Amino acid sequence: GAGVSQSPRYKVAKRGQDVALRCDPISGHVSLFWYQQALGQGPEFLTYFQNEAQLDKSGLPSDRFFAERPEGSVSTLKIQRTQQEDSAVYLCASSSAVAEQYFGPGTRLTVT
Amino acid sequence: KNQVEQSPQSLIILEGKNCTLQCNYTVSPFSNLRWYKQDTGRGPVSLTIMTFSENTKSNGRYTATLDADTKQSSLHITASQLSDSASYICVVRANTGNQFYFGTGTSLTVIP
Repeated sequence: GAGVSQSPRYKVAKRGQDVALRCDPISGHVSLFWYQQALGQGPEFLTYFQNEAQLDKSGLPSDRFFAERPEGSVSTLKIQRTQQEDSAVYLCASSSAVAEQYFGPGTRLTVT
Repeated sequence: KNQVEQSPQSLIILEGKNCTLQCNYTVSPFSNLRWYKQDTGRGPVSLTIMTFSENTKSNGRYTATLDADTKQSSLHITASQLSDSASYICVVRANTGNQFYFGTGTSLTVIP
């Protein structure tokens, strides 16, 4: 398909483990966003890339969270030493212009 | 502080009935406002996007209104269907920076 894909769709991690979440944006989309969505809440902004440049990471909750997009396409959100409060759905969105965003299905992370 | 508030938090209606969801925002300077539909376990999908000069925009049975003076928007759903059951999220983009401000959503349940 031509949409945004994310993997894995579900991830269970033990507290203290590191996890890596992948986002494949729509081909050619310059902008890529990561969001964290807690149960019953709206998405909260984490970070934004324009091509390979991370232009805004003000939403990352701690230095345990790290995102990269080395070639300006696929992006990875890494969470080190996961905590229970990290349990959420992590959404990725891409756009060709900042006006419109297309979301992936999300990765549901559960930290036990 | 840039905020987006939605009401009601949840809503249950009978199939075939109409309903209206509300969104109030304090985001400034305003760029655009969009309504998303998020089915359970999926990423948000855009319904409408409205700029400052637009008062109303329709997408099938969905009609969004915008009053930029009072900073209010509404989403009206006509002749609801069971498939309308979802979370509806209001998102406002400021005219500076790259952040999108999300409301917490209205959970709509349509029952037969």
